[in-house]
Amino acid sequence: QVQLQESGPGLVKPSQTLSLTCAVSGGSISSGTYSWSWIRRPAGKGLEWIGRVFTSGSTTYNPSLKSRVTISLDTSENQFSLKLTSVTAADTAIYFCARGKSDYSWLDPWGRGTLVTVSS
Amino acid sequence: DIQMTQSPSTLSASVGDRVTITCRASQSISSWLAWYQQKPGEAPKLLIYKASTLESGVPSRFSGSGSGTEFTLTISSLQPDDFATYYCQQYNSYLKTFGQGTKVEIK
Repeated sequence: QVQLQESGPGLVKPSQTLSLTCAVSGGSISSGTYSWSWIRRPAGKGLEWIGRVFTSGSTTYNPSLKSRVTISLDTSENQFSLKLTSVTAADTAIYFCARGKSDYSWLDPWGRGTLVTVSS
Repeated sequence: DIQMTQSPSTLSASVGDRVTITCRASQSISSWLAWYQQKPGEAPKLLIYKASTLESGVPSRFSGSGSGTEFTLTISSLQPDDFATYYCQQYNSYLKTFGQGTKVEIK
């Protein structure tokens, strides 16, 4: 079955760019009409949907983060990525990737998540 | 944004107890609601979608109900493997939003 695994630096300095990758195994990222999402959970807070990319490459972002976020597909590596610019301590969180069936869909499966700390 | 309010935030229960978690939406979301279970260090696991449809492989002690703005997740007889945090998520809007989570602890 499809499995997702997040990777990237665990520590990012304030004002820099957070970059994460989600590797997809057990299936092709470009097959079907799926959406590929990023979600995060700051310590002591709930889950926040960041945005998604479709297999077509089209993207939709959370308006609260839209000016700083880019999500893209890399079909040659069967992965998708997240870039979040101008990070602050408020961006410290566990970051998850997940698959959806469409734009209006539940998310399944998810990755285990990766902790990113923003600190100098 | 559609706000999702989950209650309680923490629930202490014993093995064998019937447990109910509530999720309220700030506007009607029809039946476009999912429930997830998450344990520390693990990926969130889909339990229920479309408010009451049990995901394949999920034990039948889990059930979901509701529509519009009020939803519940019920565990009919709590098992040791069920101690975890549970989240609801609406997908009526492209902007998916989640409840704050309910941690089910051992009493």
